[in-house]
Amino acid sequence: EVQLVQSGGGLVQPGGSLRLSCAASGLLFSDYSMNWVRQAPGKGLEWVSHIGSRPSVTYYADSVKGRFIISRDNSLYLEMNSLRVEDTAVYYCATEGGAHWGQGTLVAVSS
Amino acid sequence: SHELTQPPSVSVSPGQTARITCSGDVLPKQYAYWYQQKPGQAPILLIYKDIQRPSGVAGRFSGSTSGTTVTLTISGVQVEDEADYHCQSADSDGHYWVFGGGTKLTVL
Repeated sequence: EVQLVQSGGGLVQPGGSLRLSCAASGLLFSDYSMNWVRQAPGKGLEWVSHIGSRPSVTYYADSVKGRFIISRDNSLYLEMNSLRVEDTAVYYCATEGGAHWGQGTLVAVSS
Repeated sequence: SHELTQPPSVSVSPGQTARITCSGDVLPKQYAYWYQQKPGQAPILLIYKDIQRPSGVAGRFSGSTSGTTVTLTISGVQVEDEADYHCQSADSDGHYWVFGGGTKLTVL
């Protein structure tokens, strides 16, 4: 059974930083491109970032470009810097094709 | 802003057929994917590559495509199908995902 287990997140002040992690099991993780997707309270889904399998090409939504960094080794990561109130959301990791998603983790940016 | 357009809400009675549309110029060029999301849960893939259904997804869920519009059809809607439904595709270069705004399905 494929599982994506997320960790990290929490409450942070504007301008602060957080790191999210996503650990995969039940699949050959290195073969999969991965994405981060977020959902603000009461809103729809918003794609955040993509990282390829080999090579690990990266792409970012304009709303996070220059502030967030996606990376991977045996897990997937999202380093979030210069956080803004509007970054408040539940963040999900997801495999290419959307077949598998993490459980989501809440990031709340507030003073 | 969303490059894919969905109706905000659809209402049906149990046993009827629900159709949720998703429109966007990229859809003739990129595949569409459909997700079901219930409150407090992660999205679940219902349809991939326009019309394919993953194993484990009930047969009453189907996808179709015509030009710049894709449609999720739920035949014989059940009360448990009440949820938000999201369509997703990719930009023209296939570099990033794009989502519709989501459709809330109410089963009356």
